[in-house]
Amino acid sequence: QVQLVQSGAEVKKPGASVKVSCQASGYTFTSYDINWVRQATGQGLEWMGWMNPNSGNTGYAQKFQGRVTMTRDSSINTAYMELNSLRSEDTAMYYCARGAYCSGGDCYRRELDYWGQGTLVTVSS
Amino acid sequence: DIVMTQSPDSLAVSLGERATINCKSSQSVLYRSNNKNYLAWYQQKPGQPPKLLMYWASTRKSGVPERFSGSGSGTDFTLTISSLQAEDVAVYYCQQYDSTPYTFGQGTKLEIK
Repeated sequence: QVQLVQSGAEVKKPGASVKVSCQASGYTFTSYDINWVRQATGQGLEWMGWMNPNSGNTGYAQKFQGRVTMTRDSSINTAYMELNSLRSEDTAMYYCARGAYCSGGDCYRRELDYWGQGTLVTVSS
Repeated sequence: DIVMTQSPDSLAVSLGERATINCKSSQSVLYRSNNKNYLAWYQQKPGQPPKLLMYWASTRKSGVPERFSGSGSGTDFTLTISSLQAEDVAVYYCQQYDSTPYTFGQGTKLEIK
């Protein structure tokens, strides 16, 4: 069965960086994009960007451009999201989710059908 | 960016009654070349990640109870729960995946009356 398992909770100081991992299993890792979505406590869902595990191509929401980097290690079916220059407003639950299907060089937009369990990132001095 | 607006923000419905949640996009999410609406609905219970309920606006994900249905096209969409059960208490989100950034509605909190 498809599973996305994320790394554990992190506590960081303002200005630091955090790197969250998302290990996929139960499907061909390179065939689907990984998206990252965050949610501050009691708030709604905010899409951060996508990463294609086959090509390494990425697309980021403008809000996070220059501060976020999404990468992968296909040898261990793991995607990463690194966020720099952390501030208190970045305190949130971060989720990875499976998205677009890619085959033969083409990718097809689709819903986010499987989600990781979430990683709580707390930014506090 | 496509803005997704849900209504109402919160909703209280009696057990066994119908619940209806609306979602409006600031521009059409209907892709004319395949006649598909790039619109999904998610359910999120406290302490859990979102769970996909519907995609292509009206296709139920395998395993989702038949009391959940989705409708609409273009810019106006509806999620309906035909007979509310206690386990349906949650926050519901619509999301467009027609163009990046893939935006979500603000959420609708569904409670038992």
